[in-house]
Amino acid sequence: DILMTQAPFSSPVTLGQPASISCKSNQSLVHRDGNTYLSWLQQRPGQPPRLLIYKISNRFSGVPDRFSGSGAGTDFTLKISRVEAEDVAVYYCMQATQFPFTFGPGTKVDIK
Amino acid sequence: QVQFVQSGAEVKKPGASVKVSCKASGFTFTSHTIQWVRQAPGQRPEWMGWINAGNGNTQYSQNFRGRVTITRDTSASTVYMDLSSLTSEDTAIYYCGRVLEKRCDYWGQGTLVTVSS
Repeated sequence: DILMTQAPFSSPVTLGQPASISCKSNQSLVHRDGNTYLSWLQQRPGQPPRLLIYKISNRFSGVPDRFSGSGAGTDFTLKISRVEAEDVAVYYCMQATQFPFTFGPGTKVDIK
Repeated sequence: QVQFVQSGAEVKKPGASVKVSCKASGFTFTSHTIQWVRQAPGQRPEWMGWINAGNGNTQYSQNFRGRVTITRDTSASTVYMDLSSLTSEDTAIYYCGRVLEKRCDYWGQGTLVTVSS
């Protein structure tokens, strides 16, 4: 199985300030079809996960543009340009390049 | 709008099986793949498998050692996830979701399965 890791474990952020989350895989996530199936999901307390970003950098419908994704190969980043109160959640990266699909351990974003 | 309604919470004894349902609406059911993901308390999500709702083809995570079976009823736009030989480690919230180009764009609300003697 592809191992996904994330850093930091927790990220206390001041409202209006940026936040950045790193996600790494132990092997390349480039699929033989040329796509990189790396997604970012947000999970608020007591809620199911919600898709934010897919294929590294594509924002899903309705996701605010303060969320952005970047990276390639084995290293990926989720950035929130200005954290708002509603962004308090755990963020997971997920790879869907190779079965079984696997998730990172999560990064908790909360307000200082 | 795309929506999933999952069946209610279950409490099972070790060794038993559980079947969770996921009723879809708001899109053409047979044009999509539906996946199951579970999440144990305080843990990262874990992918279990998926089914092509059109042709019924399935793909499972080998980490479940053949204990999981996913089926669908196209007349009811419903997908089912059957997990057998339950242990306490199977206590988790089970989520279904729609897959499009390998991204899960819509998720069900989750079904809590508790395994306890």
